[in-house]
Parts: sequence; structure tokens; C-alpha cells
Amino acid sequence: DTAVSQTPKYLVTQMGNDKSIKCEQNLGHDTMYWYKQDSKKFLKIMFSYNNKELIINETVPNRFSPKSPDKAHLNLHINSLELGDSAVYFCASTSETLTGAGYTFGSGTRLTVV
Amino acid sequence: GENVEQHPSTLSVQEGDSAVIKCTYSDSASNYFPWYKQELGKRPQLIIDIRSNVGEKKDQRIAVTLNKTAKHFSLHITETQPEDSAVYFCAARKAAGNKLTFGGGTRVLVKP
Repeated sequence: DTAVSQTPKYLVTQMGNDKSIKCEQNLGHDTMYWYKQDSKKFLKIMFSYNNKELIINETVPNRFSPKSPDKAHLNLHINSLELGDSAVYFCASTSETLTGAGYTFGSGTRLTVV
Repeated sequence: GENVEQHPSTLSVQEGDSAVIKCTYSDSASNYFPWYKQELGKRPQLIIDIRSNVGEKKDQRIAVTLNKTAKHFSLHITETQPEDSAVYFCAARKAAGNKLTFGGGTRVLVKP
């Protein structure tokens, strides 16, 4: 009954590979996000989708491509992985229509590029 | 865009003492200010939040204060316990549909 679930939890891959991270929420939220947390713990937004539509796209290399097949899912595909992509990636969701709904984070995906 | 500054970056307190973390924000249109606690290897979890129409909010040992004029807000933890040791993040957001901008985090260590 996990509210926001991400898979995989750990991902170790070589430079140049393409990988995907999946996120699903069962909270009925309409907005989902991808955040990147670097080694210094700084949380930086990458993308936001509301009802399957992209609403926030920060300055992220176009090797990163989000995809939202429906409002309960937001996946992140990364092409041509680089060493600097190593980080923990958090998915989060919220409701823009429910007053008082905060962000709920997934458990994170620790990506290590070697 | 919004910029959130958080201080201190690390905070060590003796068990039972109080801990205070301060944040400032740049966009006067921001109206929602949550605080998240992230334990080692875990996800950030919302512990308390405050909206711009309220100056103070309390939940057991934690409280948050907001000064809209000065554009700063603070987290207060009283009677700290070892399980309060974690990284704490403040954040700010404008109206719905806008992103949550996080401060840089404060690593709190409560010494028994």
C-alpha cells in the first residue's frame, strides 16, 4: 500500500548506457515531480507534470526525458549516462486541488554511473 | 525565480536542548512553507507546514514561525531526542501549479 513507489531502488550502470526509472502513486494526486539529490543533499527539481502535461522543465540536459502515460505514473528515461548523473532521484506527488496536500516523496532511486 | 536560503548547514545539540533552523525566501508571492525531515538513506517526509495567512503553527515538540514582512521562517524543535537526528529541509512555493523550491538542508545531530 506504498503511496509513492519508485523502481528500481538501486541502479548501477556504465557510462553511455540508457536507463529508465519508474514512479507510480496511488494517492489520487494530479501532479508529479522528479527531483535530483546530489551528494551534498541538495534537492533540485527537474520536471513536473500535472494531469499528464509537462508544466515545469528546469534546465536539465535533453538526455533526460520524462514520460507520463497517466496521472498516476511518471517515468524518467536517461540516455547516454554520464558520471555526473550519479545521484539519488526522487519522485514526488501532490494534489493541486486538495487544500493542505503536501508533497509525498517516493523512496528514491540511487543511480551510480561507473 | 524563488531562492531559499537555509542556515545553519549543520547543527549539533545536546539531547533535551532546543534546535532552531532558519530560512529566508526571495519571492514575496510565496505562500506555502513546508518542512521536511530526511533520515539517512530515506525519503524526505513532511513534518510540518505553514501558510502565509498564519504566523505560527505548533505540533507537539515542533513549531514553525513565519515573518512575511521579513520573508523568513523558522523551525523550532524543543526537548530534542536522538531520533530527531536527520537532515531538515525548508521549502517555499507560490500558488498551486508552481514548484517547491528547497533550502540547502540542515544536518542536525542530537548527542545523547
